[in-house]
Amino acid sequence: GQQVMQIPQYQHVQEGEDFTTYCNSSTTLSNIQWYKQRPGGHPVFLIQLVKSGEVKKQKRLTFQFGEAKKNSSLHITATQTTDVGTYFCAGKRSGYSTLTFGKGTMLLVSP
Amino acid sequence: ETGVTQSPTHLIKTRGQQVTLRCSSQSGHNTVSWYQQALGQGPQFIFQYYREEENGRGNFPPRFSGLQFPNYSSELNVNALELDDSALYLCASSSELATNEKLFFGSGTQLSVL
Repeated sequence: GQQVMQIPQYQHVQEGEDFTTYCNSSTTLSNIQWYKQRPGGHPVFLIQLVKSGEVKKQKRLTFQFGEAKKNSSLHITATQTTDVGTYFCAGKRSGYSTLTFGKGTMLLVSP
Repeated sequence: ETGVTQSPTHLIKTRGQQVTLRCSSQSGHNTVSWYQQALGQGPQFIFQYYREEENGRGNFPPRFSGLQFPNYSSELNVNALELDDSALYLCASSSELATNEKLFFGSGTQLSVL
């Protein structure tokens, strides 16, 4: 079956440092979505990437979809304490309607 | 707030018992997916319902079953509970069975099996 892997599992940064999490799928994806889950909360949709090589920005967050549509990354510039949480990528295969989630990257930001 | 509500928020059961979790989807959404999230893990897909029919199932045994009602609300039933069933159960709704629909998650039901 499809597998989605994320690295690193955990990262602790000082406020103001940058952060990147990487996502790799065992199969080609029709699209990839990113979610953020705050401690004790539920996943909240951040963004969706559909096109090969697509790059999208949301303020300090930059999302990329690989040319082969099998990998993706999320980069946060100048982290803030409000960025704390676990970031999940989730991919959909062509012809399927279900999302497969990675295990997530937990981000801790120290002030 | 996503408009997806789940009940109960917390539940404690003993091994061998049965449990029913409930989910009301966001207004206008006809697709409901259920996920199991163990501590420190990503959500694992259990199954999805579209217009009252099961549409896709993850790698979970038959003792995990579900229903979707005409108003698109949904239930997850788990029989013969095992200790490993302890997890956060998340319901997510979306507006159509399309490949580019994002999921709106409820706050989840925290199930503890003793």
